[in-house]
Amino acid sequence: DQQVKQNSPSLSVQEGRISILNCDYTNSMFDYFLWYKKYPAEGPTFLISISSIKDKNEDGRFTVFLNKSAKHLSLHIVPSQPGDSAVYFCAASPLNAGNNRKLIWGLGTSLAVNP
Amino acid sequence: KAGVTQTPRYLIKTRGQQVTLSCSPISGHRSVSWYQQTPGQGLQFLFEYFSETQRNKGNFPGRFSGRQFSNSRSEMNVSTLELGDSALYLCASSLGIGGSPLHFGNGTRLTVT
Repeated sequence: DQQVKQNSPSLSVQEGRISILNCDYTNSMFDYFLWYKKYPAEGPTFLISISSIKDKNEDGRFTVFLNKSAKHLSLHIVPSQPGDSAVYFCAASPLNAGNNRKLIWGLGTSLAVNP
Repeated sequence: KAGVTQTPRYLIKTRGQQVTLSCSPISGHRSVSWYQQTPGQGLQFLFEYFSETQRNKGNFPGRFSGRQFSNSRSEMNVSTLELGDSALYLCASSLGIGGSPLHFGNGTRLTVT
């Protein structure tokens, strides 16, 4: 049973436009969320995170929005660049677990940014 | 600062054999986690070690084991390999305190024939 769901396996966007990647979770104990990007033949790279005390976190072209009531978060990339083409993973964990944190991962969304 | 290093990058083994994978974390990181990635299951958590102790464990059979050394380097062992163990095995290190992000290596691609 997937506790973290990325319902879109793939997404195609034009360069310069906005990319929106979505993630839903089922466990109300999750209160810390992260996005990772993965290129082929490489390990995932940390992008951005958000804790449940916030509903938005921004870092350059990347913004993550959290809607706790809907158990939904999204990653916005503006403007999208061809180098953003990768698989994006959403991950979640209960932060109140303290140091004993175990991440639960979505299956990923493959983003293609077309020139 | 050197990243997380995993060796070997590729490995081909036969059913029934055993395999040991190695991970060197980022300097100063005391936590090492291991993940299995397959196309249909995504990233599945295997276990986490912190200061040479297993701190967290996923839902994998006992054939999967690991250890961490005093210099934080970690090894993962899989015994009695099965075809279904073919996967990308990823190691990630972190400071090990709540909220610190994971830094991944490039993985070991294991093929079991």
